[in-house]
Amino acid sequence: GESVGLHLPTLSVQEGDNSIINCAYSNSASDYFIWYKQESGKGPQFIIDIRSNMDKRQGQRVTVLLNKTVKHLSLQIAATQPGDSAVYFCAESPSTDGLTFGKGTHLIIQP
Amino acid sequence: DAGVTQSPTHLIKTRGQQVTLRCSPISGHKSVSWYQQVLGQGPQFIFQYYEKEERGRGNFPDRFSARQFPNYSSELNVNALLLGDSALYLCASCVAGSVLYNEQFFGPGTRLTVL
Repeated sequence: GESVGLHLPTLSVQEGDNSIINCAYSNSASDYFIWYKQESGKGPQFIIDIRSNMDKRQGQRVTVLLNKTVKHLSLQIAATQPGDSAVYFCAESPSTDGLTFGKGTHLIIQP
Repeated sequence: DAGVTQSPTHLIKTRGQQVTLRCSPISGHKSVSWYQQVLGQGPQFIFQYYEKEERGRGNFPDRFSARQFPNYSSELNVNALLLGDSALYLCASCVAGSVLYNEQFFGPGTRLTVL
């Protein structure tokens, strides 16, 4: 079946640098996309979302970009901090009931 | 306000046993969804309930069942446990019946180990 996937399982960045986490999705019918952050021992935490009628959305230190032509989603984190260390998941909403998650990218912050 | 709460935190069962996991949504939220997260992977959708009725079901066998109570809390039941059922079971609540355009709030999960 169709699913959401991520390109890199681990991303290592220097503290203070910008981080870019990528995601490829395959369900062209999906209308809503979300990025979640999951810290060890916790459930996923909502970061930012975007609807398919937009190509960019900004939050506090985070930006999500959506390219529907190539079915690509990215999360940009500005001035990465130690507290940003976590696993990041993209998720899509192909229907009204459940979300489809990708496998996740582990973001590691180096001092 | 308290977030989504789940119990128990950890659970160890043996193959063939049955397990019941519990979830209390955020106050005012009427929708509860269940997800299974195997180690190293993203969560997989199991069920969604809204106003005590099943609204959606993922690709899981009939050994998995759930229900929602009048106070909107929910239980997930898994029968005839298999080793492959070992996972973190996440509950998420949402104020609306649809997850489309509506934020889901996740609980900390129940870690189930099947031996």
